[in-house]
Amino acid sequence: KNEVEQSPQNLTAQEGEFITINCSYSVGISALHWLQQHPGGGIVSLFMLSSGKKKHGRLIATINIQEKHSSLHITASHPRDSAVYICAVIAGGTSYGKLTFGQGTILTVHP
Amino acid sequence: NAGVTQTPKFQVLKTGQSMTLQCAQDMNHNSMYWYRQDPGMGLRLIYYSASEGTTDKGEVPNGYNVSRLNKREFSLRLESAAPSQTSVYFCASTRSTSGTSNQPQHFGDGTRLSIL
Repeated sequence: KNEVEQSPQNLTAQEGEFITINCSYSVGISALHWLQQHPGGGIVSLFMLSSGKKKHGRLIATINIQEKHSSLHITASHPRDSAVYICAVIAGGTSYGKLTFGQGTILTVHP
Repeated sequence: NAGVTQTPKFQVLKTGQSMTLQCAQDMNHNSMYWYRQDPGMGLRLIYYSASEGTTDKGEVPNGYNVSRLNKREFSLRLESAAPSQTSVYFCASTRSTSGTSNQPQHFGDGTRLSIL
């Protein structure tokens, strides 16, 4: 079992729909990242969380440390949101910022 | 703002050839990382450098060497390329100094490497 599990692996939505991507992890962490990667493109950090909730535009990220679970929500989805969304954790303790990644969720938003 | 710059962007090698992937950051970050991304495997850490002058192995270091040339630059070398090293390679950096780091990572655009 991977230390970081994402679901679903693939997600198709119609423009305007509310989207949720889930991430569960099995280790103690100091922080969790949500990353975005467009096809053939680089990787961009969307959020870094250690507790609670963060919001940026139409994107919302939440984390429940006790349940070892995080969610990424996209409100009013748009075709330009089509990308791979990757959850990554920094283990607790002396980790030197090393990331352990989930497999990614491929999101396709149709007009 | 250049951020993290990787060169080259694309490369095709023959089995047994050697090459060095270059990475430079202009954000005065202390820690730098090399990852590889493979279909079905996600991103995995190859090597990292927590500070200038130090390097350490990650999850998949076999077949690679690294050099932290100075604070800005962190290179990845394939001494004798193998088809299993065909992948997309990403360099990243963060402000963290040592120990637990809650700083965001900044990624380069990747190097797409094919080994025939």
